[in-house]
Amino acid sequence: SQQGEEDPQALSIQEGENATMNCSYKTSINNLQWYRQNSGRGLVHLILIRSNEREKHSGRLRVTLDTSKKSSSLLITASRAADTASYFCATDNSGGSNYKLTFGKGTLLTVNP
Amino acid sequence: NAGVMQNPRHLVRRRGQEARLRCSPVKGHSHVYWYRQLPEEGLKFMVYLQKENIIDESGMPKERFSAEFPKEGPSILRIQQVVRGDSAAYFCASSPLGMAADTQYFGPGTRLTVL
Repeated sequence: SQQGEEDPQALSIQEGENATMNCSYKTSINNLQWYRQNSGRGLVHLILIRSNEREKHSGRLRVTLDTSKKSSSLLITASRAADTASYFCATDNSGGSNYKLTFGKGTLLTVNP
Repeated sequence: NAGVMQNPRHLVRRRGQEARLRCSPVKGHSHVYWYRQLPEEGLKFMVYLQKENIIDESGMPKERFSAEFPKEGPSILRIQQVVRGDSAAYFCASSPLGMAADTQYFGPGTRLTVL
């Protein structure tokens, strides 16, 4: 698998349900970030979690990071139709050029009204 | 509070023509990054620039592609003699510091279509 690989590739839920997306990566990192991309648009930064943090919250978002498993999860609670988008995790590489973000292919989330 | 601006938003070129993509970073940001996104793929790093300097161009094809970030004006990604495989969305990001802890703010992208 490649650095910053998300699963599932696609997720379809009903409004009000929770959505959980996962991300796995290979190298040691300083930070992991989650971005949202609406269809045909740019990326919106959601949250950054540092390698020494295990969990972080921002509004309806909850991100966890397990550096021993090299994995992260993004939980969106009480989803809304407006949350429909692709979600990407992006990692740096603490052993290399740490400004260079590596993205996975993303999870396409569809929230049905 | 203007974010990263990119223009044009859509660009159509015929094979062999040149494409010039512009990026104005967030005011006060001196670090610019270009990424390319192919259909159904994640973003791939191309180049990292500071004002007047290319810091890392390891993700950029060595031929036909060039980037600059002059002292004045926007950053430019230039693709010469475009081919169909260059069709993609090109995103620019900026940050105040070129560090791992620094959030990169992305522009809306330029969607290049090569006919």
